[in-house]
Amino acid sequence: SYELTQPPSVSVSPGQTATISCSGDNLGEKYACWYQQKPGQSPVVVIYEDTRRPAGIPERFSGSNSGNTATLTISETQAMDEADYYCQAWDSGTASYVFGTGTKVTVL
Amino acid sequence: QVQLQESGPGLVKPSGTLSLTCTVSGGSVSGHYWSWIRQPAGKGLEWIGRIYSSGTTEYNPSLKSRVTMSVDTSKNVFSLKIDSVSAADTALYYCARSPEARSGKRYFDYWGQGTLVTVSS
Repeated sequence: SYELTQPPSVSVSPGQTATISCSGDNLGEKYACWYQQKPGQSPVVVIYEDTRRPAGIPERFSGSNSGNTATLTISETQAMDEADYYCQAWDSGTASYVFGTGTKVTVL
Repeated sequence: QVQLQESGPGLVKPSGTLSLTCTVSGGSVSGHYWSWIRQPAGKGLEWIGRIYSSGTTEYNPSLKSRVTMSVDTSKNVFSLKIDSVSAADTALYYCARSPEARSGKRYFDYWGQGTLVTVSS
């Protein structure tokens, strides 16, 4: 089965840039998206189709996807960005959605 | 604004059947893909499967043998059944919508608030 691997945790200082990776075989050939999940809340998409931001998502969230790795970048990180982040892709081989293992972002 | 609300028993006995319903308001189930996703406490997200409004389904291969999904367009709801449950099925269960059918985009734009299902005797 297709797997997406993320680092368990990322720490960042306020105002700095946080980078979260998502690795999977030939992930760059698929579209990746990213969800933010705060404690006790449902996930919210912050990036879809590798680089697109839904309405209402701040410009400090950006994405890229190439080779085997998709990346979510949070620029000028704020305390409110502290959350769990999950990547997700569609695996056409099994006709399944696949989620990454999740990354906890801590703003120190 | 589309809203999704999960409902169903919060406690299921081992070897029993987990049954949940997702009620869609502010929009129609017709013409969209609807998924179930679960999250054990303190763990990550797992996609269970999806159903199109016509009734076509696709399931996570790891759960396929135990999962059944259905849709009732007249009631604007869709449902999930998981057979032969065990403690490993204890999780927060979400229903969610994908805009794929209308736009080709494969992600989840609307989520329910989730419902906790515990498998225990």
